[in-house]
Amino acid sequence: GQQVMQIPQYQHVQEGEDFTTYCNSSTTLSNIQWYKQRPGGHPVFLIQLVKSGEVKKQKRLTFQFGEAKKNSSLHITATQTTDVGTYFCADLTGNQFYFGTGTSLTVIP
Amino acid sequence: DAGVTQSPTHLIKTRGQQVTLRCSPISGHKSVSWYQQVLGQGPQFIFQYYEKEERGRGNFPDRFSARQFPNYSSELNVNALLLGDSALYLCASSFIDNEQFFGPGTRLTVL
Repeated sequence: GQQVMQIPQYQHVQEGEDFTTYCNSSTTLSNIQWYKQRPGGHPVFLIQLVKSGEVKKQKRLTFQFGEAKKNSSLHITATQTTDVGTYFCADLTGNQFYFGTGTSLTVIP
Repeated sequence: DAGVTQSPTHLIKTRGQQVTLRCSPISGHKSVSWYQQVLGQGPQFIFQYYEKEERGRGNFPDRFSARQFPNYSSELNVNALLLGDSALYLCASSFIDNEQFFGPGTRLTVL
């Protein structure tokens, strides 16, 4: 089945530093969604990308969909302690949602 | 507006038993999906139901089954529980393939 890998698995940053997580697949991604899950919480939807090369911004967050639709990225500028959590990408292919392995972000004050 | 609700919050079962988990979607959402999340991993897709029909199924054994009712609420059943079924079970509702709204989950422990 589809495998969606994310790197890095863990990331520790000093507050104010930037952070990027990458979502990669060996097959073409159809419909990428990004979610954030706080410790002890449930995934919360951030954004959806469907077009090749698409770039969307939400305040300090920038989301990109690769030109070949085989990768996606989430970049956070000037991290804050509220950004702590695990970030997942998820692809909808063939009526199945495939979640990535996730990147756990720790922000050091 | 109420979000997605799930019951029960926590559940402890023994191996071989059966369990039923319940989910109520956000009003107006006709799609419900179920996920299993083991600690430290991403959610694994189990089922998606739309308009009371199974629309997608993940790579889970036949011990897992689900259904969706006319009011769009849903139940997930797991038979012959194994220790490896211990996980957080998440329900998500959506219009169809749009953003998914997750419930707080049911924490299942199998002893």
